[in-house]
Amino acid sequence: DIVMTQSPDSLAVSLGERATINCKSSQTVFYSSNNRNYLAWYQQKPGQPPKLLIYWASTRDSGVPDRFSGSGSGTDFTLTISSLQAEDVAVYYCQQYYSTPYTFGQGTKLEIK
Amino acid sequence: EVQLLESGGGLVQSGGSLRLSCATSGFTFINYAMIWVRQAPGKGLEWVSVISGSGGSTYYADSVKGRFTISRDNSKSTLYLQMNSLRAADTALYYCAKGRGSDTSGYYQGPFDYWGQGTLVTVSS
Repeated sequence: DIVMTQSPDSLAVSLGERATINCKSSQTVFYSSNNRNYLAWYQQKPGQPPKLLIYWASTRDSGVPDRFSGSGSGTDFTLTISSLQAEDVAVYYCQQYYSTPYTFGQGTKLEIK
Repeated sequence: EVQLLESGGGLVQSGGSLRLSCATSGFTFINYAMIWVRQAPGKGLEWVSVISGSGGSTYYADSVKGRFTISRDNSKSTLYLQMNSLRAADTALYYCAKGRGSDTSGYYQGPFDYWGQGTLVTVSS
């Protein structure tokens, strides 16, 4: 199984500042045949289901604000929120869909400083 | 508008069974893989199972293999999860989710773009 490890476990950032969350997979999630990383990011607010933010490591889903961006390749990935808004308080998860069992990171709790 | 609505959760004794349902609307159901993901109270997300659009391919997490069965009724646009031999460790909020890309190969490799609100399963020991 591919193990996904996020860092940090929690993060406090001031409004308007940059937030960065890292995700590392235990093996590559990059397919050279199509040049794609099989990696997604989700946002989960309290009492709500997860929401897809980013897929293929760097493609924003429809309607996701452009302050959210994803980067990385192979085994190391980053979710960046360029200017933190109050509504971004949530737990963020990375997930690989390279192979079953699909696996999620343990989550990173993002709060306002 | 895509909608997913889970039902069937509840309180059950260890060793018991439950069948979850996920009624969907707003998309061509047969074209998409469907997924179950669960979340234990206060914990992270755990993938449970996936089924191809045709229903011909299914995959399971090791933690539920042999006890849970995923299925779908494409005529009713409904996804199911039959859960047998339930354990306390199966206590969780169970979400159904839709695969984002069209399911062409039977082995889904893509993100989950729509999620239901979840149905709570509590297994008492």
